[in-house]
Amino acid sequence: DAKTTQPTSMDCAEGRAANLPCNHSTISGNEYVYWYRQIHSQGPQYIIHGLKNNETNEMASLIITEDRKSSTLILPHATLRDTAVYYCIVNYSGGFKTIFGAGTRLFVKA
Amino acid sequence: GAVVSQHPSRVICKSGTSVKIECRSLDFQATTMFWYRQFPKQSLMLMATSNEGSKATYEQGVEKDKFLINHASLTLSTLTVTSAHPEDSSFYICSARDSNRDSTYEQYFGPGTRLTVT
Repeated sequence: DAKTTQPTSMDCAEGRAANLPCNHSTISGNEYVYWYRQIHSQGPQYIIHGLKNNETNEMASLIITEDRKSSTLILPHATLRDTAVYYCIVNYSGGFKTIFGAGTRLFVKA
Repeated sequence: GAVVSQHPSRVICKSGTSVKIECRSLDFQATTMFWYRQFPKQSLMLMATSNEGSKATYEQGVEKDKFLINHASLTLSTLTVTSAHPEDSSFYICSARDSNRDSTYEQYFGPGTRLTVT
């Protein structure tokens, strides 16, 4: 079973920051937080992952709370092409299988 | 970046026939690959873990005799849907991990194969 809770859907205005929350209150010490997204009729795309420190790459930033029970994915300047389903996943390293929850459907509006 | 391909991208087959879907890691080696199925407006459901040189591990409720998985090399896994029925119509997606990278790295997903059984 998925170990995360995410809002079903969110809206965001184009050009604004999109902040997608995720709760993972049962995360254990050696589990990472991964974010993927899936644009309609495509395979999922990796966005970012982290253990306990905040992370940033060219796509997004990941903010993990100090107790690691929740995190927020930030798309700093959302575009229409960011409309997708965003999945927050907690997982051990080492090739363990990835279980997807329902995700958050983000709609970026002009 | 790492690329995973799937072939075919779309396939239509008649009920009762079998169809094979290929998943290839194009620029890395993958000891482990994963197969998912996705129905419309639903999330991805893990079907099985494909291990190079050994038998696949199936998730609970997935019929291993119906969904045959072969992982004969470090870059290729195949999923064969045997005796397909209309209820097997779905979007099938594979993913892979790079065996030569740190184990915390992400999975790479293929573009998916849409199977329609008539």
